[in-house]
Amino acid sequence: DAGVIQSPRHEVTEMGQEVTLRCKPISGHDYLFWYRQTMMRGLELLIYFNNNVPIDDSGMPEDRFSAKMPNASFSTLKIQPSEPRDSAVYFCASSLASFYNTGELFFGEGSRLTVL
Amino acid sequence: GIQVEQSPPDLILQEGANSTLRCNFSDSVNNLQWFHQNPWGQLINLFYIPSGTKQNGRLSATTVATERYSLLYISSSQTTDSGVYFCAVGHYGGSQGNLIFGKGTKLSVKP
Repeated sequence: DAGVIQSPRHEVTEMGQEVTLRCKPISGHDYLFWYRQTMMRGLELLIYFNNNVPIDDSGMPEDRFSAKMPNASFSTLKIQPSEPRDSAVYFCASSLASFYNTGELFFGEGSRLTVL
Repeated sequence: GIQVEQSPPDLILQEGANSTLRCNFSDSVNNLQWFHQNPWGQLINLFYIPSGTKQNGRLSATTVATERYSLLYISSSQTTDSGVYFCAVGHYGGSQGNLIFGKGTKLSVKP
């Protein structure tokens, strides 16, 4: 089975530009997560969805960040406008069940964002 | 909130050596997973192990939930085992969608 698929793998953009990261979760997984990883802060949960509905977006740093999941097989994370401090690796992950139960987290390969 | 502490923070091994990585957590957990982040940044799910023992090749893991710790064993280490190993837990006191990650153990295996 295909794993979690993210695109692009690398993105270099200039401050002020819009960035859109894309994710296709593992088929049949009801939970989708967006994480950000930096050296300073480690892995941070930004937002997660259950059955395409955003459940907890308390980790989204600012209004510049938004995420959508229009259907069970696609999600986007958008940053508009981007800033240099947004430079990080953004991971999408999915899980069959919640972490109250037997949910196991599977990560995509990540999107490395550099904002100049 | 629940605290997850991993030790040691850094570990350097010669190829072929064995190692034990530890994860302590401060409260009862219902979900515990080990991940390996390789030097290319990929995060790989190693084990789902809220209790008991599992083995996968040269890797095995044991969680003693009543004592609030988990151990990851790596036998006959290889250079490809290098990277950072994360322990992450889920618990009923937290969010059903949020695993709490430790800071990781950085493993370097020398040829």
